[in-house]
Parts: sequence; C-alpha cells; structure tokens
Amino acid sequence: SQTIHQWPATLVQPVGSPLSLECTVEGTSNPNLYWYRQAAGRGLQLLFYSVGIGQISSEVPQNLSASRPQDRQFILSSKKLLLSDSGFYLCAWNGGAEPQHFGDGTRLSIL
Amino acid sequence: QKEVEQDPGPLSVPEGAIVSLNCTYSNSAFQYFMWYRQYSRKGPELLMYTYSSGNKEDGRFTAQVDKSSKYISLFIRDSQPSDSATYLCAMSDSNYQLIWGAGTKLIIKP
Repeated sequence: SQTIHQWPATLVQPVGSPLSLECTVEGTSNPNLYWYRQAAGRGLQLLFYSVGIGQISSEVPQNLSASRPQDRQFILSSKKLLLSDSGFYLCAWNGGAEPQHFGDGTRLSIL
Repeated sequence: QKEVEQDPGPLSVPEGAIVSLNCTYSNSAFQYFMWYRQYSRKGPELLMYTYSSGNKEDGRFTAQVDKSSKYISLFIRDSQPSDSATYLCAMSDSNYQLIWGAGTKLIIKP
C-alpha cells in the first residue's frame, strides 16, 4: 500500500532563517506531488505541484520554492522566512485523476 | 464570491443524530467532488469521492451531488464522538486541480 511521510511534525524558526520541509511517498511510482498551506479556519491553498522529476508549477508567488530531486521526494524550501510564512504545511500525492492523499503536515511557527 | 462556500460552524449535535454538511459552488465545470475529514493537527483524510451527480453511500456516510443546484452534501448517520473533526469539501474540473471549501468544524456531544 502507498504511504506518505512528512517531517518534521512541528518546527519553530526565527525570522530570516532558512527552511527545508521534506515529503516522501512509498509504494507508488511517478506520483503527482503537491504542497499546500492551511491557515487556521481556512481551506487549503495550493503552493506547488509536480507531475515529474524536476517539473514544478507554482500557484502563488511567494517566499517559498519547491524541488523534486527524486521521483517520490518533494521538498519545500525558503532562503529567508517571514512571519507570514507561519502555518500548517501539507504534502499530498495522487496518481492521475485519483483523489489526493495527504501526509500529517508540518506546523511551522516563525518567531 | 468564493468558488466554493462552506459554513465554518462549529456545528454541535448530540451523539446518534444525523449530521448534514454542505457546500455550494459557482463553477458549473466541476465534475469531481470529494469530502475529507481532518482531525486536529493531522492531514485531511479522504472520506468520499463522487463523479458528476447522484448519491454514494459508504457505511454511515452518504455523499450527495446536485449539479443543477451546484450543491453537495455529506450525511453522517448515527453520529459518534469520534466523528468530531473538521470536514472539508473539494472539487475539480477536468484539469484535476482541487478547489477547497474552508471546512466545517463538527462536534458530536456524548
């Protein structure tokens, strides 16, 4: 069966520090991969998605970037975090037109 | 106007009641409809997935899509305290990019 892993679960970072969040999927090949941000009491905002290695589409201009160095690995990064980058970050995957399946998220707090 | 509207709640009902959760949408091109359940500090978990109009039942859960009214519903029968969570609707057109509701927080009181 397929599983998705995200880490860390919780992260506290100072303003201006770099960020790297990692997501990996097991049990499938060539998945579509997604990064979302969820603000409290709000729906999910799509940040990036990828249909293959090295292929990244950005949905929202911002302080973040994404990379897909391997088929089942998706990384969310920032060179300098802003206070507004705080939130709950979720990674998801699917195959083709199937529904998306989510990891357990990373709660990021910027101080 | 948002593409997908969902009442944030909270919706509080007694254990055993029938729960009705709803979303309305404006884009008539949407044809794939999903309901996700999200517990606190966890990722969303897929509950129901339907294509086009009609009903789909899975255990205590029934998803209903009315494309003519641009309205979808999730019914939970015999609600349990473990059903307390935030329920998110999501939908997409043939491009498969999901548009999300803001989520309804549901509280089942023992």
